[in-house]
Amino acid sequence: DTEVTQTPKHLVMGMTNKKSLKCEQHMGHRAMYWYKQKAKKPPELMFVYSYEKLSINESVPSRFSPECPNSSLLNLHLHALQPEDSALYLCASSESGSHTGELFFGEGSRLTVL
Amino acid sequence: KNEVEQSPQNLTAQEGEFITINCSYSVGISALHWLQQHPGGGIVSLFMLSSGKKKHGRLIATINIQEKHSSLHITASHPRDSAVYICAVRDTDKLIFGTGTRLQVFP
Repeated sequence: DTEVTQTPKHLVMGMTNKKSLKCEQHMGHRAMYWYKQKAKKPPELMFVYSYEKLSINESVPSRFSPECPNSSLLNLHLHALQPEDSALYLCASSESGSHTGELFFGEGSRLTVL
Repeated sequence: KNEVEQSPQNLTAQEGEFITINCSYSVGISALHWLQQHPGGGIVSLFMLSSGKKKHGRLIATINIQEKHSSLHITASHPRDSAVYICAVRDTDKLIFGTGTRLQVFP
């Protein structure tokens, strides 16, 4: 299994809603990532978890809250988002360390904030 | 100036043509990635290189560490190769992305 699975694929939420994005991998990878991608732009790193500990937070606003319950799962909790947060949110994993080795990306969760 | 520059930004080709996408970078790196992204979709890792050349099917990637340059070649291009191709370099513990090359292959 070389897949990174993200759910939901699409999410529409209001600015007062609380929702979560989920990411799962069963490759035994110990590093997992959240990226944000706006249209026609490269991905922007948000968070890195390495061995289930948050190792990088790229000064992301607190309305985005990551969680790594175990080595296979990564969540991104969303609360009080703004319309400019609408984007494709990509999860990725790699074998170990931060960006060490090949990266495996999910298909993304497309978020629209109304 | 971006730390990772790709050229061309946009590329159109007829089916069967040989395609080259270039990536130049200005930082010291430990690895370079070539990624593919179809419209509205997720990202697929094509290659990770730290030296030399790699081949996978119709795709070939090369890197010249001294010149800080990498190329991605597609032989016998096909409409399904239409996508954005992204070069990304690993600098310490993060990736620095190029802005991507949008490729369209017409039948």
